[in-house]
Amino acid sequence: SYELTQDPAVSVALGQTVRITCQGDSLRTYYPSWYQQRPGQAPVLIIYGKNDRPSGIPDRFSASSSGDTASLTITGAQAEDEGDYYCNSRDTSSGRNYVFGSGTKVTVL
Amino acid sequence: QVQLQASGPGLVKPSQTLSLTCVISGDSISNGLYYWAWIRQPPGKGLEWLGYLYYSGTSYNNPSLNTRVTILLGASKSHFSLKLASVTAADTAIYYCARFRTQGSSDAFDIWGQGTEVTVSS
Repeated sequence: SYELTQDPAVSVALGQTVRITCQGDSLRTYYPSWYQQRPGQAPVLIIYGKNDRPSGIPDRFSASSSGDTASLTITGAQAEDEGDYYCNSRDTSSGRNYVFGSGTKVTVL
Repeated sequence: QVQLQASGPGLVKPSQTLSLTCVISGDSISNGLYYWAWIRQPPGKGLEWLGYLYYSGTSYNNPSLNTRVTILLGASKSHFSLKLASVTAADTAIYYCARFRTQGSSDAFDIWGQGTEVTVSS
């Protein structure tokens, strides 16, 4: 089955920059969406498309893509950014299946 | 403000069918602008897409669950449901309903419900 690969965990000092990556063949064709999940809460959409943020999402969150790898960057990480981050994309082989990455746990030190 | 609320029995016995409902407020399935999806998250694990539904009643499910998953329109245009047959302990999870938008190469689950916890146990 199709998979999107993410690093299990990253840490970042308060106010510094951290990059979270998501790797998969479909990312050559489709932009992934990115979700933040704080402990005990439902996921929240933070990035979609090339680099679009829903209303209310801080501009310290940004996205980029190159080849089969997409990245989510948090510039100036805040304590409230701690949580799990998931990418999601369509599976190009089926065109209809959607797959979530395995998730990256972000710790703000 | 669009909100989604998933609900259902918190406990289901093995081999039975799990039935969940998602109620939509502030939007309607019949506007045809979005798909409506179910996603689950086992305890301590990641997210799994289960399937989605369009206002026409057309649905598409995660093939990994084979024919166990059914996503249906509700009698009103403000709710939809999930049925998962022949459940086992591996189906224990938080089940989320979500609104799904697809625009060219840009897809996203833009609104999520708070989730409903389901335990499969005898």
